[in-house]
Order: sequence, then structure tokens, then C-alpha cells
Amino acid sequence: DIVMTQGALPNPVPSGESASITCQSSKSLLHSNGKTYLNWYLQRPGQSPQLLIYWMSTRASGVSDRFSGSGSGTDFTLKISSVEAEDVGVYYCQQFLEYPLTFGSGTKLEIK
Amino acid sequence: VQLVESGGGLVQPGKSLKLSCSASGFTFSSYGMHWIRQAPGKGLDWVAYISSSSGTVYADAVKGRFTISRDNAKNTLYLQLNSLKSEDTAIYYCARGPHYWGQGVMVTVSS
Repeated sequence: DIVMTQGALPNPVPSGESASITCQSSKSLLHSNGKTYLNWYLQRPGQSPQLLIYWMSTRASGVSDRFSGSGSGTDFTLKISSVEAEDVGVYYCQQFLEYPLTFGSGTKLEIK
Repeated sequence: VQLVESGGGLVQPGKSLKLSCSASGFTFSSYGMHWIRQAPGKGLDWVAYISSSSGTVYADAVKGRFTISRDNAKNTLYLQLNSLKSEDTAIYYCARGPHYWGQGVMVTVSS
């Protein structure tokens, strides 16, 4: 199985500051078709997960342009520029290159 | 797109339960569907997938105990949970790809 490892944030993050969340996969998620099979989600307290980024760097419909995804085949970053109160929650990376689909353990964002 | 799960509840270890996910707002028969679960206070754990042609894939932790199925005439996805264990206690979400998730249904396995 592909293991996804997420980094922690130096919580709480001051409102208006940027925050970067790291994710590492145990196997390259870069397919021969040139696409990287990595998603990012935000789960706000008491809610279902919401897709933020797919194909490593494509923002989902309706997602603020304050969110951006980048990376290589095994190392990924979700950057939130100018964090706001509504960004509070747990962020997950997920690989969908192969089954079983696997998620990182989550990174909690708190705002000061 | 709307996904609404039902069928959760409290069940004793070793017993069975069947979850349903009612889909609307899209052509259900054209899409593969997932079940994903989340134990209390824990992260996300993929459970099973069924393709539009009813091919299935399972996580090792549930293989042989859980069965994913679909009824395209009823626009409904199912998850049959057998031989339940305490570690199956979780919120179960159905999802269409990464974009659309239901609100989840709680399954508690306890004596």
C-alpha cells in the first residue's frame, strides 16, 4: 500500500499569514500520462470532507484561489495564503494512483 | 449532486448491518462510487469501490466481511457489513469520486 505522511502546522497560525502543509508519498504518484494522482481535502469541524485540489495542483470548483497545490512525484505542498477563520479544520492528502486509496493522517489548522 | 446515507446504528459484535446511499442530481449508473469511513476522532479510511459496471475493490480490513453493491434502477449504493467488529465503529461516507461526499452515517459496534 502507498503510505501518505503529512507534516504538522505550527498552530495557531495568525490570521492573514500563510500556511503550508506538506505530504509525502512512499511511491511516486506521477503517472506515465503526466498527471500526478494526488488530492487535497479540508474537513471542517462536524462536516464531510471537501475537495480542495485534485491532480496535485488543480483547484476544485468554488475553491478560493488562496489555496494552491504543488509538488513533485513524492513530495507535495498545499499552500494557504492569508489564512482566514473559515480555513479552520483538518487537511488531508490522498493518493488515487492505485487501490487501496490511502489518505494522510491529517493536519490540523488553528487560527489565532 | 446529492448523496444521502442511511441505515446506521448500534449493533453488537458479530452482527450485520446494511447501509444505503441514495443518489440524485446525476446519472447514477454512469459513475463509480466509494465508501469511506472515519473512526471517532481519527482520519479517513477508504473502504470499497464499485465501478459503473459493478466491478468491486475492497480494503484488506473489510475484504470477505463487507460487500458493496448498487441498484441503478433505484439510484442507490449499498454496503453490507457482516461479522462486525468494534474497530468498524465509524462514520461511513459514500462518495462519487473525490468531488461529492454524503453527510455520513454512524455505525457503532458494541455489546
